[in-house]
Amino acid sequence: GEDVEQSLFLSVREGDSSVINCTYTDSSSTYLYWYKQEPGAGLQLLTYIFSNMDMKQDQRLTVLLNKKDKHLSLRIADTQTGDSAIYFCAAKREYGNKLVFGAGTILRVKS
Amino acid sequence: DAGVIQSPRHEVTEMGQEVTLRCKPISGHNSLFWYRQTMMRGLELLIYFNNNVPIDDSGMPEDRFSAKMPNASFSTLKIQPSEPRDSAVYFCASAPSTGHEQFFGPGTRLTVL
Repeated sequence: GEDVEQSLFLSVREGDSSVINCTYTDSSSTYLYWYKQEPGAGLQLLTYIFSNMDMKQDQRLTVLLNKKDKHLSLRIADTQTGDSAIYFCAAKREYGNKLVFGAGTILRVKS
Repeated sequence: DAGVIQSPRHEVTEMGQEVTLRCKPISGHNSLFWYRQTMMRGLELLIYFNNNVPIDDSGMPEDRFSAKMPNASFSTLKIQPSEPRDSAVYFCASAPSTGHEQFFGPGTRLTVL
């Protein structure tokens, strides 16, 4: 089955860029997602990308997809203290509703 | 829209007791998901429903866990009997038939003593 892996922890200074990386194993994954979880809350969708795209930009967020290497990254420009949270990568096939999540990356932003 | 509603938000119980977690999905959504989150295992999908029908329950850990969706606006996850290793945050999420986003509830933090 699908396996999604992420680095566990990232620490950056306020104003710097953050890059969170993710790898997945299922080449049939068609949709790839980034979710954010703040303390004591559920997950919130940040952005997603189709597998036929290489890049997607949404304000401070840039998603890069290397389909050959099955590697996904999320770049947060001008990282703010409010960006401190756990970020989850997730993958889904074209058909069906099942998401497979990574373990999450804890982003800590130092002021 | 109130979003996905889960109750209770916190539950503390003793080993052996029955626990029932409740979820109200967003109106109009036809898919509902139950997840469990722990430090050791991360976020695991337990079961999901489409149009009130269970589609994939391969993530349900064992027979002590059961889930129902009697109608489009309500689902329950029951653990009987509960064990300390069931302690976790349980999330419910719902999704519409079109689009890609799963909308998560705030979670129920379960502690089994």
